[in-house]
Amino acid sequence: EVQLVESGGGLVQPGRSLKLSCLASGFTFSNYGMNWIRQAPGKGLEWVASISSSSSYIYYADTVKGRFTISRDNAKNTLYLQMTSLRSEDTALYYCARHRLGWFAYWGQGTLVTVSS
Amino acid sequence: DIQMTQSPASLSASLGETVTIECRASEDIYSNLAWYQQKPGNSPQLLIYDANSLADGVPSRFSGSGSGTQYSLKINSLQSEDVASYFCQQYNNYPPYTFGAGTKLELK
Repeated sequence: EVQLVESGGGLVQPGRSLKLSCLASGFTFSNYGMNWIRQAPGKGLEWVASISSSSSYIYYADTVKGRFTISRDNAKNTLYLQMTSLRSEDTALYYCARHRLGWFAYWGQGTLVTVSS
Repeated sequence: DIQMTQSPASLSASLGETVTIECRASEDIYSNLAWYQQKPGNSPQLLIYDANSLADGVPSRFSGSGSGTQYSLKINSLQSEDVASYFCQQYNNYPPYTFGAGTKLELK
């Protein structure tokens, strides 16, 4: 069974940093591209970043480019999102998701990031 | 970036009714479209990919159709467990992957 378990969320002040993790199990992690997708409270879905299976291709949404860094450790079956210079508009539930040919077949339960002073 | 316009924003329907949700892309996305269901308090779940292919385990009362810039999700014989928000997503031209704003489906 595919499982994606996010962690690392919490309350952080504007301008500070936070690192999210997503532990994958139930599939060969190194074979799949992975993503972070976020959802502000009561709002829709916003794709944040993607990383290919071998980290060769990395993409970011314009809203986070230059502030967020996606990475992965295939030996640890773990996806990361390093977030810096956080803003109030980054407040959201952050999901990791495994993609397949463009669609997101599996999602974690999410980790909540709240940016507030 | 491709913009996805989803309608209606909210919908109220009765049990057993047929419901249709629409999604319009700002340019041709060549059926590279997925639909997701998100029940309250849960993460999104894939329903449909490639505009009309049912994901594993999804009941056959769900179906997708469309081409070019116009797509739709149909739910036949609405069940109580279908109360959820529904989102479309294009993957023809990325980055970025883009989602519709969502449709909240409630029971009448």
